[in-house]
Amino acid sequence: GQSLEQPSEVTAVEGAIVQINCTYQTSGFYGLSWYQQHDGGAPTFLSYNALDGLEETGRFSSFLSRSDSYGYLLLQELQMKDSASYFCAVLSNYQLIWGAGTKLIIKP
Amino acid sequence: NAGVTQTPKFRILKIGQSMTLQCTQDMNHNYMYWYRQDPGMGLKLIYYSVGAGITDKGEVPNGYNVSRSTTEDFPLRLELAAPSQTSVYFCASSPGTSGNTGELFFGEGSRLTVL
Repeated sequence: GQSLEQPSEVTAVEGAIVQINCTYQTSGFYGLSWYQQHDGGAPTFLSYNALDGLEETGRFSSFLSRSDSYGYLLLQELQMKDSASYFCAVLSNYQLIWGAGTKLIIKP
Repeated sequence: NAGVTQTPKFRILKIGQSMTLQCTQDMNHNYMYWYRQDPGMGLKLIYYSVGAGITDKGEVPNGYNVSRSTTEDFPLRLELAAPSQTSVYFCASSPGTSGNTGELFFGEGSRLTVL
């Protein structure tokens, strides 16, 4: 079967750094995406890794290791507005396979 | 530029009723998708389309139907609504694999309750 595993909840302090891990097992793999979703909102795209290594976009970075079927999202200089759910999703054969999401709780 | 537009935003249905969720996009994207999201869960793919006239089942197609007569429109039909179909439904689009960066463009969602 196809599955993605990510922690259900992570707590961090404002201004700190947090890493959200994702491991996957899928048939067919083109790349790993990350999405942010605020309560009551739609998912919004953050990043995409097709090749091994680190991609940086402002305060957010995403890493992929294809040999380990593993990736992570790194959020730096956390702000209260970063409180949301974060989803990893594997691009496989025309479609995205989604993890269950990680709820990020940020404390002042 | 409107992006992906879904209607209605909210709807309450009685068991056994039918309805259509509308989705339209103005980005000339080939690929369109319907997802459902239950509380505290990730997105489950219901149906997808890689172009006008072409549709295919996703992970959870039972109880739903779709059509894709134009590039812009991808309606989702619920037949004989059941309480298990209470969920938030998202329509999304993407340019296609040739320019695929793993990015989907989402509508705002349609919150459906079946009582």
